[in-house]
Amino acid sequence: QKEVEQDPGPLSVPEGAIVSLNCTYSNSAFQYFMWYRQYSRKGPELLMYTYSSGNKEDGRFTAQVDKSSKYISLFIRDSQPSDSATYLCAMLGPSGSARQLTFGSGTQLTVLP
Amino acid sequence: EPEVTQTPSHQVTQMGQEVILRCVPISNHLYFYWYRQILGQKVEFLVSFYNNEISEKSEIFDDQFSVERPDGSNFTLKIRSTKLEDSAMYFCASSGGTINYGYTFGSGTRLTVV
Repeated sequence: QKEVEQDPGPLSVPEGAIVSLNCTYSNSAFQYFMWYRQYSRKGPELLMYTYSSGNKEDGRFTAQVDKSSKYISLFIRDSQPSDSATYLCAMLGPSGSARQLTFGSGTQLTVLP
Repeated sequence: EPEVTQTPSHQVTQMGQEVILRCVPISNHLYFYWYRQILGQKVEFLVSFYNNEISEKSEIFDDQFSVERPDGSNFTLKIRSTKLEDSAMYFCASSGGTINYGYTFGSGTRLTVV
């Protein structure tokens, strides 16, 4: 079983739609959860990171973590063509342990004007 | 906004040659990393570096790889004898202290081994 699973898509939505991106994980030691956006041939850009279960909102983006189900989500409201990119979830163990990020495979999103 | 700078953006090398990929992390960050992404695959951890030594490395980071912080600003990844399967995007990243898990990645170096 892969440590982090993410639906690769591609996902195509019309402008203004609500987008839901998801990852599941198997390692209960993961405690920090991040979402990165990656444009073609560029480095990952941090969008949000969360520690606890629950929701965290930042503008049009909401990150949701359910540790009991080992499931995380990223919601994008009022999606824009500029949101078209690959979205990567990434996870990290507890403070003081491994600092290496474990990434999902990424979901390719296209927002159509 | 502070950024991680990587050079070159693209490097083509012959199999068996040595390459050095260069990075300038964010100046007040303490942890430095190299990740790689083979085309169409996941971003994979290679190595982390803290306090002038390797703190963790993955199975990928074998004896052909080495890292160095030769001065106060640069962080390098050396591949001694490149193989075709080393072709990938190599990303440098840095992060701050224990309360900051928001790694900042550079734009990457595309390494092509021919």
